[in-house]
Amino acid sequence: GNSVTQMEGPVTLSEEAFLTINCTYTATGYPSLFWYVQYPGEGLQLLLKATKADDKGSNKGFEATYRKETTSFHLEKGSVQVSDSAVYFCALSPNGDMRFGAGTRLTVKP
Amino acid sequence: DSGVTQTPKHLITATGQRVTLRCSPRSGDLSVYWYQQSLDQGLQFLIQYYNGEERAKGNILERFSAQQFPDLHSELNLSSLELGDSALYFCASSAQGINTEAFFGQGTRLTVV
Repeated sequence: GNSVTQMEGPVTLSEEAFLTINCTYTATGYPSLFWYVQYPGEGLQLLLKATKADDKGSNKGFEATYRKETTSFHLEKGSVQVSDSAVYFCALSPNGDMRFGAGTRLTVKP
Repeated sequence: DSGVTQTPKHLITATGQRVTLRCSPRSGDLSVYWYQQSLDQGLQFLIQYYNGEERAKGNILERFSAQQFPDLHSELNLSSLELGDSALYFCASSAQGINTEAFFGQGTRLTVV
């Protein structure tokens, strides 16, 4: 079936540290891949997406590259801020049916 | 504003009761998803509807049911409620297509006492 597996948290970093949250997927065909973010007390919102192999999605300093050979879509940010503290979800959509990973909680300390 | 509306925002009810959560998708979106998010837990996929028909079912309890109406709004019915059903329930909608993302509502926080 179609699924995503992302690294379990929680992840705690100091401000300006480098962030990587791993995400791998299993899918038939060529799904679109997404990262969503959930800030405290809010719903999920789209952070970035990539629709085909080698595409790089980017937004707010976050990046993720669609790697077909390793079936991965790792989220990275070069310098995190306290305001990036949130839960991050990897997701795929092989044919319009969204499936999410379990989420990774990130806490950034000043 | 995502365009997805969920009501009510908060709900407090007693064990054994039944509640109905409502979701209005973005205009034109045919797919509606329901998710449960418990404290410190990830997003549990419950069920998906597409244009009125059930499309996929996840970890949805038999005490829970959902439907999507001709106007595309959806309702999630939770019955014989237990303390462990306390959670945030999210609705999301998407247009059909391989590159489309889902848009989430703000959620309904259900507290069972």
